[in-house]
Amino acid sequence: EPEVTQTPSHQVTQMGQEVILRCVPISNHLYFYWYRQILGQKVEFLVSFYNNEISEKSEIFDDQFSVERPDGSNFTLKIRSTKLEDSAMYFCASSLAQGRETQYFGPGTRLLVL
Amino acid sequence: GEDVEQSLFLSVREGDSSVINCTYTDSSSTYLYWYKQEPGAGLQLLTYIFSNMDMKQDQRLTVLLNKKDKHLSLRIADTQTGDSAIYFCAEKDRDDKIIFGKGTRLHILP
Repeated sequence: EPEVTQTPSHQVTQMGQEVILRCVPISNHLYFYWYRQILGQKVEFLVSFYNNEISEKSEIFDDQFSVERPDGSNFTLKIRSTKLEDSAMYFCASSLAQGRETQYFGPGTRLLVL
Repeated sequence: GEDVEQSLFLSVREGDSSVINCTYTDSSSTYLYWYKQEPGAGLQLLTYIFSNMDMKQDQRLTVLLNKKDKHLSLRIADTQTGDSAIYFCAEKDRDDKIIFGKGTRLHILP
């Protein structure tokens, strides 16, 4: 069964460093998403992406964050200058369409900012 | 704003039924979901229900939706040790974002 994959599974970085989290969505999916889950808190929506553009973003997704689909398969989340509070599990998701189509989640990347 | 609430913990004896409850505030939700998260793992979609349905059954899982009260429940029949996980209730809002609850940690007693 096709699945969303994410790399790396864990990343440790120093505050102020740039990180890029990678995702490979399900191959025929067109809509892509990033969510994050700070330890012990809710899973929160960050951004949605379609047709090489951001469709929707939350207030968490500030200028430090950017997303890109650099080729036909990868979908990346970049944090330009990480802060301690960026430590979280980051989930990528994809769906075939909006509305009735389900979003399928990857296994997540656990980011720890020191 | 939109919110999804669920109790944080549930303990159930192996073989009994587990019922996890959830309430949500967004009356325009189109889809409601249950996701399962095992320790250290990602979010696994268990089941979902469209907002014009009131029940959905899938093997050991039964989802009940009371749209008037904005109440969703997940019943797991014959709970097994492998069902031990965190269960997230979630709803899809009109902007296609998924809004999650904090998750209910299901603990199975021997």
